[in-house]
Amino acid sequence: NAGVTQTPKFRILKIGQSMTLQCTQDMNHNYMYWYRQDPGMGLKLIYYSVGAGITDKGEVPNGYNVSRSTTEDFPLRLELAAPSQTSVYFCASSYSPFSGANVLTFGAGSRLTVL
Amino acid sequence: QQQVKQSPQSLIVQKGGISIINCAYENTAFDYFPWYQQFPGKGPALLIAIRPDVSEKKEGRFTISFNKSAKQFSLHIMDSQPGDSATYFCAARSPTEYGNKLVFGAGTILRVKS
Repeated sequence: NAGVTQTPKFRILKIGQSMTLQCTQDMNHNYMYWYRQDPGMGLKLIYYSVGAGITDKGEVPNGYNVSRSTTEDFPLRLELAAPSQTSVYFCASSYSPFSGANVLTFGAGSRLTVL
Repeated sequence: QQQVKQSPQSLIVQKGGISIINCAYENTAFDYFPWYQQFPGKGPALLIAIRPDVSEKKEGRFTISFNKSAKQFSLHIMDSQPGDSATYFCAARSPTEYGNKLVFGAGTILRVKS
């Protein structure tokens, strides 16, 4: 049982380049999330999805796009990378946010540097 | 703006001491308050959580104290150990159009000295 798998673990981008951070989970979770973590700022929600074909913006969606074509996968697309997008990105999933536990299972993170 | 305010930013505690991390919120729609623990190079993992109708929850050495009227909650780590050295995040669950989402505090870096 792999849980939440993110790729790549590390990536360096040049300003203006585009890339996709991959996230897949094998727990049959309906809900998936993308967070970014910056020092002293905690975790900020970028986008989330409540199921295949349904996504919604979080706190900091500008400069990112997502899609959810399957239950398992929730890729995060960065268009025209900017230095402000240098961060550690975490994908997470949960079975149902209506449950009392609302346990988020996080991936190991993807460290992105934009130069 | 930070919807959940967490303090201190960093904390150094001697082995065997008590670590205390505090969080405060304004949104009365928050209905669940988990704490996450993160070790370097890893994703956060759920540590302990509490509902707002409970004033205290204890799991082993970890205790959450919750003050609904003051809109504050805190994590106490008793008999702190070097293995507890990590970053701790408080969070609050917020209802949305499609379901719920978690809003996180800024995090506290805890170092337990042996």
